[in-house]
Amino acid sequence: EAGVTQSPTHLIKTRGQQATLRCSPISGHTSVYWYQQALGLGLQFLLWYDEGEERNRGNFPPRFSGRQFPNYSSELNVNALELEDSALYLCASSLERGAGYGYTFGSGTRLTVV
Amino acid sequence: GENVEQHPSTLSVQEGDSAVIKCTYSDSASNYFPWYKQELGKRPQLIIDIRSNVGEKKDQRIAVTLNKTAKHFSLHITETQPEDSAVYFCAASKGGSYIPTFGRGTSLIVHP
Repeated sequence: EAGVTQSPTHLIKTRGQQATLRCSPISGHTSVYWYQQALGLGLQFLLWYDEGEERNRGNFPPRFSGRQFPNYSSELNVNALELEDSALYLCASSLERGAGYGYTFGSGTRLTVV
Repeated sequence: GENVEQHPSTLSVQEGDSAVIKCTYSDSASNYFPWYKQELGKRPQLIIDIRSNVGEKKDQRIAVTLNKTAKHFSLHITETQPEDSAVYFCAASKGGSYIPTFGRGTSLIVHP
């Protein structure tokens, strides 16, 4: 069974540009969770998508947005990039239907804003 | 909302020693406490978890203990090996569809 897959592995963008990150959950899982892992700040929850809808959102500005497609894959869009957006962005799907049962994480996208 | 504090931020031990990482949480309704291990350059992986109806859980060299009254839980690693070197994250959740809150992580370094 394929795990959670993310692309691209690395992404370099200029301040003010937009970045698009992609994620495919484990086959059969309908939920996708996005996290930001900035240096020294641990894992910060960004967004949760389930069945094509945004279900929950962390404490991030509106320029962080996304969507989920009918096949349950997801995109995270970051508009008007700022230097502090540089981080590892992790996507996860839950082991059962609900984040409260543990995650399987993807390998992440390393976003660098210059 | 939930607040999870994790200590220490860095832990350095000699191979064969034991390592203990502690987390405290604030929401007494939290009932699910997972631990993740993230090796350098890799994804976080769930290594062990505990639910509030259990006080201790073991899996080979790792164990987790939970004290619901004091609202703290700990990860214990015995007979540490260099491959245990990683960042460890604790989390607390009310289970179900509730989003877990993570600690800031502990960098464990095991010296050969």
